Amino acid sequence: GAGVSQSPSNKVTEKGKDVELRCDPISGHTALYWYRQRLGQGLEFLIYFQGNSAPDKSGLPSDRFSAERTGESVSTLTIQRTQQEDSAVYLCASSPRTSGGLADTQYFGPGTRLTVL
Amino acid sequence: EDQVTQSPEALRLQEGESSSLNCSYTVSGLRGLFWYRQDPGKGPEFLFTLYSAGEEKEKERLKATLTKKESFLHITAPKPEDSATYLCAVRGAGGTSYGKLTFGQGTILTVHP
Repeated sequence: GAGVSQSPSNKVTEKGKDVELRCDPISGHTALYWYRQRLGQGLEFLIYFQGNSAPDKSGLPSDRFSAERTGESVSTLTIQRTQQEDSAVYLCASSPRTSGGLADTQYFGPGTRLTVL
Repeated sequence: EDQVTQSPEALRLQEGESSSLNCSYTVSGLRGLFWYRQDPGKGPEFLFTLYSAGEEKEKERLKATLTKKESFLHITAPKPEDSATYLCAVRGAGGTSYGKLTFGQGTILTVHP
């Protein structure tokens, strides 16, 4: 079946502009996650959704970052007034569910490479 | 706070030369340890999930094992196509962050023919 898809695959923007990154999870997966991977660094958690709600936004770096999810499907990560330090690969993942019990496997998309000039 | 340390940072092997990658972790109540493979310019590809000490999983030339403090990814008779960055991640039971995976920095594996 279809995996997690993300668009665009690459985005080049100028400092100060707003960008929107899109994620389409695996069909039927109720949990969706956003991570950031800076060059040469590990994956950094940003936010996750259970359904359309975001119980944990603790990883969002600043109030310039926001995310929403609609229809328990597509999610959009928005970065306002982009800065050069926002340059990174933004990865989305989904899993069947999430809970306090044993963790479901998260399946990742190909990522969006964001470059802020 | 959950922590993951992977070693070595980079590993160069000859084709057929078996070895192991290490993932040391500290977590409050392990709810899962995950191994992923990441090729350049791509997203992480799922390999294994381990939940309890003593558990082992195998797939082709790869075998993952788990103790209470660390996990090993054993690579038997590797081939050049096994070259990639291998990522280890954990999810703990702490707080209400049921979604958050904590990742290590990864081990870059290069297998020479």
